[in-house]
Amino acid sequence: QVQLQESGPGLVKPSETLSLTCAFSGGSIRSSYWSWVRQPPGKGLEWIGYIYHGGSTSYNPSLQSRVTISVDTSKNQFSLKLSSVTAADTAVYYCAATGYYSWFDPWGQGILVTVSS
Amino acid sequence: EIVMTQSPATLSVSPGERATLSCRASQSVSSNLAWYQQKPGQAPRLLIYGASTRATGIPARFSGSGSGTDFTLTISSLQSEDFAVYYCLQYSNWPRTFGPGAKVEI
Repeated sequence: QVQLQESGPGLVKPSETLSLTCAFSGGSIRSSYWSWVRQPPGKGLEWIGYIYHGGSTSYNPSLQSRVTISVDTSKNQFSLKLSSVTAADTAVYYCAATGYYSWFDPWGQGILVTVSS
Repeated sequence: EIVMTQSPATLSVSPGERATLSCRASQSVSSNLAWYQQKPGQAPRLLIYGASTRATGIPARFSGSGSGTDFTLTISSLQSEDFAVYYCLQYSNWPRTFGPGAKVEI
């Protein structure tokens, strides 16, 4: 059974870079596309981007200039970097598996990242 | 980008009653529509994909219908554990987009 687990700092200062990692277990990281989705407190869900094991990526145009997603197949993990963060980037960040033509499932439990000085 | 809307934003129902939630896409997504349930402090849980196929382990009281731009999630007889927020997701195009959510409350 595929399981995902996010990790990283829960507090990031404004203008700095948010960095998160998602560890994958229970299958092959080569079997899916791997996405990040975020949810500001009390608000809805926003897809951030995906990476495929070969390294191909796609990002939400609304965040594209600030986002980098990378994958480490040897460690079965993938990572998110979001630069120049502001308070508007405060959110629960989820990692999730998807197919190119399919939905998100499963999801990690999520990690709250607060942007504050 | 495909814009997803949901109605109503909040639905107040009693246990045992039927709940009907709507989701509309700004352009056709064919049957590439999923529904999620989210409870406070939890990740979204997949309920329905392909507009009408229940995910593994999802009770039969959850059903989905629709295609093109208009979709419906029906909960036939609400149980206490069904009070939550429900999101639709279109996976016809990238970027994937979610509806704003619909809260089902007692």
